[in-house]
Amino acid sequence: DIQMTQSPSSVSASIGDRVIITCRASQYISNWLAWYQQKPGKAPKLLIFVTSILQSGVPSRFRGSGTGTDFTLTISSLQPEDLATYYCQQANSFPFTFGGGTRVEI
Amino acid sequence: QVLLVESGGGLAKPGGSLRLSCAASGFRISDYYMTWIRLTPGKGLEWISFINNTGGTTYYADSVKGRFTFSRDNAKNSLYLQMNSLRDEDTAIYYCARDQEVTSYGSVWRGLDVWGQGTTVTVSS
Repeated sequence: DIQMTQSPSSVSASIGDRVIITCRASQYISNWLAWYQQKPGKAPKLLIFVTSILQSGVPSRFRGSGTGTDFTLTISSLQPEDLATYYCQQANSFPFTFGGGTRVEI
Repeated sequence: QVLLVESGGGLAKPGGSLRLSCAASGFRISDYYMTWIRLTPGKGLEWISFINNTGGTTYYADSVKGRFTFSRDNAKNSLYLQMNSLRDEDTAIYYCARDQEVTSYGSVWRGLDVWGQGTTVTVSS
């Protein structure tokens, strides 16, 4: 199975800060990576798929990049509503594993 | 409106069984592969099972293989997760989610773009 390692596990930042979350795959996954945002008590929400394609309705301050084994989610200017846990997921081979999550605190 | 609604969660004893359902509306599940994911406090999101559009292909996480069965009824626009031999560590919120779209060109993956609200399963004696 492909292991997905996210870092940091949590980050505390201020409004307006740039936040960078990384996700490393234990094997090559090409661009088959998605990012999700989960707020407390809510279902996860798709932010980005195929590494860098923004899901409809997602603010442009979210950006995904990377390829192969190393990927990044960048929030360019943190907003209060971005308080959440963020997960990466690979879709290169089954099981489509998730990273351990990154909790963003403000 | 595109919606997924899970049901069937509850309290079960170790070794017991539960059957989760996921009802779709606003789209035809026959056009999509589908997935179950669970959220546990200690482990975050865990991918647990996948089914193709016909139900002929399924995949499972090692943690549930041999105990859980994912099935679908396209005519009822519904999905099911039969959970047997439940363990304490199966305690979680279970979500169904829409996966790849089946097109004339093949399946197209755009992430898990529609999620249900989740149903809570508690396994405890």
